[in-house]
Amino acid sequence: DTAVSQTPKYLVTQMGNDKSIKCEQNLGHDTMYWYKQDSKKFLKIMFSYNNKELIINETVPNRFSPKSPDKAHLNLHINSLELGDSAVYFCASSQDRGGKGNYGYTFGSGTRLTVV
Amino acid sequence: LAKTTQPISMDSYEGQEVNITCSHNNIATNDYITWYQQFPSQGPRFIIQGYKTKVTNEVASLFIPADRKSSTLSLPRVSLSDTAVYYCLVGVGNTGKLIFGQGTTLQVKP
Repeated sequence: DTAVSQTPKYLVTQMGNDKSIKCEQNLGHDTMYWYKQDSKKFLKIMFSYNNKELIINETVPNRFSPKSPDKAHLNLHINSLELGDSAVYFCASSQDRGGKGNYGYTFGSGTRLTVV
Repeated sequence: LAKTTQPISMDSYEGQEVNITCSHNNIATNDYITWYQQFPSQGPRFIIQGYKTKVTNEVASLFIPADRKSSTLSLPRVSLSDTAVYYCLVGVGNTGKLIFGQGTTLQVKP
């Protein structure tokens, strides 16, 4: 009974393709996030949605577009994939808007994207 | 933008106490300090959270000095299964943003 689940776990694709990563949480949290973890293990926030409303949009190329059909789902679509997009992408959720409350974020297990 | 810095790596032996310090000299006034643990092929997992002084739970302690410009995660009597990457997470300045440290890879040896 996974709290935050994201699919697929692995994604290998060619440059120029368009791909999507899906995320769902069953914790009843109002806020969801996408984080990118690079090869040096830095975790950097990309987007945050609170109850389907975009609240954080970091400096991310326009090729990345999040979509939240309801507060339990936050998907990430990436157009025209580039080699530099290769990373692990984590979905997360939290009870409050900033992940600052008790127990902070709950993360999914990640999607390892490899662009060749 | 002020950095949140941690040691890149640490080694320890089973049964020892491990202390990992995170420096965050521009921490936001009202924000908590949170530590996460990450195993390979998994997402980060919440360990402990505090605002000031000392917090203890069943897995760790968190020490925060009065100026809150640093925090120390203390793992008592580590075992091989504590080998992981440990991240601190703090709010920075007036940005309203939470910033992860670069992570400390802890290797526990037998």
